[in-house]
Amino acid sequence: GQSLEQPSEVTAVEGAIVQINCTYQTSGFYGLSWYQQHDGGAPTFLSYNALDGLEETGRFSSFLSRSDSYGYLLLQELQMKDSASYFCAVRGSSGGSYIPTFGRGTSLIVHP
Amino acid sequence: EADIYQTPRYLVIGTGKKITLECSQTMGHDKMYWYQQDPGMELHLIHYSYGVNSTEKGDLSSESTVSRIRTEHFPLTLESARPSHTSQYLCASSESQPYTTNEKLFFGSGTQLSVL
Repeated sequence: GQSLEQPSEVTAVEGAIVQINCTYQTSGFYGLSWYQQHDGGAPTFLSYNALDGLEETGRFSSFLSRSDSYGYLLLQELQMKDSASYFCAVRGSSGGSYIPTFGRGTSLIVHP
Repeated sequence: EADIYQTPRYLVIGTGKKITLECSQTMGHDKMYWYQQDPGMELHLIHYSYGVNSTEKGDLSSESTVSRIRTEHFPLTLESARPSHTSQYLCASSESQPYTTNEKLFFGSGTQLSVL
């Protein structure tokens, strides 16, 4: 099967940098994705890593180390609107379906 | 921009009722999914479809059924709702991609179901 671990909550102040970690267990790893979900809203795709290294998209960056089964989402220049839940999702070959499995999500609280 | 719609947005019903949650997408995506999410918890896959006339059960045991008669439509039916079914139900879709590449899911806004 597949499983993911991420912190339940992270707090930071506006303008700061925050890192949300994700460790995973899966067979046949094919990629790690990150999604953002505001309260009452739909999850929206942020980034995807299939290979080791850092992917940058504006203020958000995502990192992957396949040998460590570990990734993180880095948010820079935090804004109040970044307060949301962040989910990592791993795509593996569990059951042959290759459908992403989601973690429990990390609630990010940004303070003024 | 994602074009995937779920109705109703909120639903409160009594135990034993039959309900259908609607999900439609206008992106022509082959793959569609239903996830169940409780507050502060992960998304649990309950059903998925690879295309018309294809449906599969996910990891979470569920007393629901789905159908995929048209590409754009993927309704979820509960034959007899129970309080344990109270949850948020999220529909998603994605383009078919080789398993070695990214799979970007587009989610609907969800249906918050309360069974009394």
